[in-house]
Amino acid sequence: GQQVMQIPQYQHVQEGEDFTTYCNSSTTLSNIQWYKQRPGGHPVFLIQLVKSGEVKKQKRLTFQFGEAKKNSSLHITATQTTDVGTYFCAGPHPQGGSEKLVFGKGTKLTVNP
Amino acid sequence: DTAVSQTPKYLVTQMGNDKSIKCEQNLGHDTMYWYKQDSKKFLKIMFSYNNKELIINETVPNRFSPKSPDKAHLNLHINSLELGDSAVYFCASSQVRRRWGGWYGYTFGSGTRLTVV
Repeated sequence: GQQVMQIPQYQHVQEGEDFTTYCNSSTTLSNIQWYKQRPGGHPVFLIQLVKSGEVKKQKRLTFQFGEAKKNSSLHITATQTTDVGTYFCAGPHPQGGSEKLVFGKGTKLTVNP
Repeated sequence: DTAVSQTPKYLVTQMGNDKSIKCEQNLGHDTMYWYKQDSKKFLKIMFSYNNKELIINETVPNRFSPKSPDKAHLNLHINSLELGDSAVYFCASSQVRRRWGGWYGYTFGSGTRLTVV
């Protein structure tokens, strides 16, 4: 079945350093979503990418969707302690469509002040 | 104000008991989900309902029975609880974009932490 692989599993940075998490799918994705889950919290939707090669920015966060629509990345510039949490990518299952979102295992980001 | 609300937030129970978790969304979404998050933070879909109709049942033991009385509510009943059922259970909802067939991001509830002892 379709898998969404995410690396790294953990990332520890000093405040002010940059951070990137990568997501790879075994199949072409119609779109990809990114979520953030704070410690003890619930996943919160950040963004959805749809087009091949798409790049979107949200303040210090830059999201990219690969040309082949099989990979994506989230880059955070100059991390802050408020960026702490687990970042998940998620894509629709080929058979499940919009009713079945498959999540990567997440990248847990910790930031040292 | 809460968009997707789940109750209870915490549930501690003994093996063999039966328990229920309730979920309600006030966003007008037509699809609701149950996800299970294990201790390693892996989020796995369990069920999906669209307008009260079961769409996805993801190889979940039949001790788990979802029920959707209307499109704003999705409950989860678990019979004969086992130690391995301990996890955080998230309810979520979403809305399909009618025009191009994609959908908006999922809105998750705050989760129910189930501990089976």
